[in-house]
Amino acid sequence: DAMVIQNPRYQVTQFGKPVTLSCSQTLNHNVMYWYQQKSSQAPKLLFHYYDKDFNNEADTPDNFQSRRPNTSFCFLDIRSPGLGDAAMYLCATSRGGGADTQYFGPGTRLTVL
Amino acid sequence: GENVEQHPSTLSVQEGDSAVIKCTYSDSASNYFPWYKQELGKGPQLIIDIRSNVGEKKDQRIAVTLNKTAKHFSLHITETQPEDSAVYFCAAKKTRSQGNLIFGKGTKLSVKP
Repeated sequence: DAMVIQNPRYQVTQFGKPVTLSCSQTLNHNVMYWYQQKSSQAPKLLFHYYDKDFNNEADTPDNFQSRRPNTSFCFLDIRSPGLGDAAMYLCATSRGGGADTQYFGPGTRLTVL
Repeated sequence: GENVEQHPSTLSVQEGDSAVIKCTYSDSASNYFPWYKQELGKGPQLIIDIRSNVGEKKDQRIAVTLNKTAKHFSLHITETQPEDSAVYFCAAKKTRSQGNLIFGKGTKLSVKP
């Protein structure tokens, strides 16, 4: 029944070691989003894909990149994780943009040692 | 850009009492207002949303009111139960924009048995 799936749920990496987080969806939604959520804060949008069109938020660091090889999958790549990148990373999907509901996955908790 | 203020940051109520969380937004062009519930270690879950063409929406114990003139909207939970304990986020969005769901900073609700 899971609609937005994130793997792994917990990821530990070392300072500077590239890491990839995965998101998949069974909803066949056009839009996929990546959010960063730090402790006791609101989710912060990093970027999103509308179909194959990539939309980066202006303040998203270059260290963060994304790939969407097909409708179902989207990846978040962190090229050189720093201690400040430790956070919960949330994937979300929506049918379209606009007022369509965004459905969130369970998140991946990233720890940087 | 849009800014969403949310109050209070923490709220403690007795089981059975009502809880009210309030949000204000700055951009009069925003016209979609979802509320999310986030339990510890999980992704946000949509609990109710409202669009600017209505002033109130209700779903069992949960209701949302919207005052477009004053640019504020509120979440009302009646007959609270311990399982309502979570962090609640309000958000605002312009339906013509794709990605930008602007969140409030969240309210930690504790329902005491």
